[in-house]
Amino acid sequence: DVKVTQSSRYLVKRTGEKVFLECVQDMDHENMFWYRQDPGLGLRLIYFSYDVKMKEKGDIPEGYSVSREKKERFSLILESASTNQTSMYLCASSPGQGLLMGTDTQYFGPGTRLTVL
Amino acid sequence: AQTVTQSQPEMSVQEAETVTLSCTYDTSESDYYLFWYKQPPSRQMILVIRQEAYKQQNATENRFSVNFQKAAKSFSLKISDSQLGDAAMYFCAYRRFGAQKLVFGQGTRLTINP
Repeated sequence: DVKVTQSSRYLVKRTGEKVFLECVQDMDHENMFWYRQDPGLGLRLIYFSYDVKMKEKGDIPEGYSVSREKKERFSLILESASTNQTSMYLCASSPGQGLLMGTDTQYFGPGTRLTVL
Repeated sequence: AQTVTQSQPEMSVQEAETVTLSCTYDTSESDYYLFWYKQPPSRQMILVIRQEAYKQQNATENRFSVNFQKAAKSFSLKISDSQLGDAAMYFCAYRRFGAQKLVFGQGTRLTINP
């Protein structure tokens, strides 16, 4: 089974702190994603990466950056956390090879619930 | 830009009965994929079912089936013989052919009453 793990289930930070959210997948997937999930808004894509050191902005990248130094690990960075970044953050990965055939399924981690005070 | 709309924030159903969750989407593309994901309480999101837009036949996975109406841009999920373990948030999602990005709806919280 594909396993996507996130470093913390719950995290509480102060406004202005630098925050790192870590995600690791163990299936040699090409693609990794960071979403935030808010009630009534569903999941919104922050950033995704299709290869090591490669990244693309999603729909809501402002206030976030990412890092992918190794294939299995994708980090989300909040340079200066703000209260409006209080949310559930979900990481996902997908193989990438089945994209054109539509068989490319995204596998999700358990999520990190971040509270910024 | 593509959008996905789930107009039912919450639904409830009696155990063993059938429930249908609604999803509509907006796109100008002709080739795309549609998905239903399930997020149980405090558990990871998992894929329930997938539909390719070029296929006329509706996808089915055991008790889960979809009603895909391409012209109407509608993609509803039917759960038959509802079980307590079906209680979850359900998200409808869209992906354009050849793209990586998933576009999600707002989600529907399904409650199963024993």
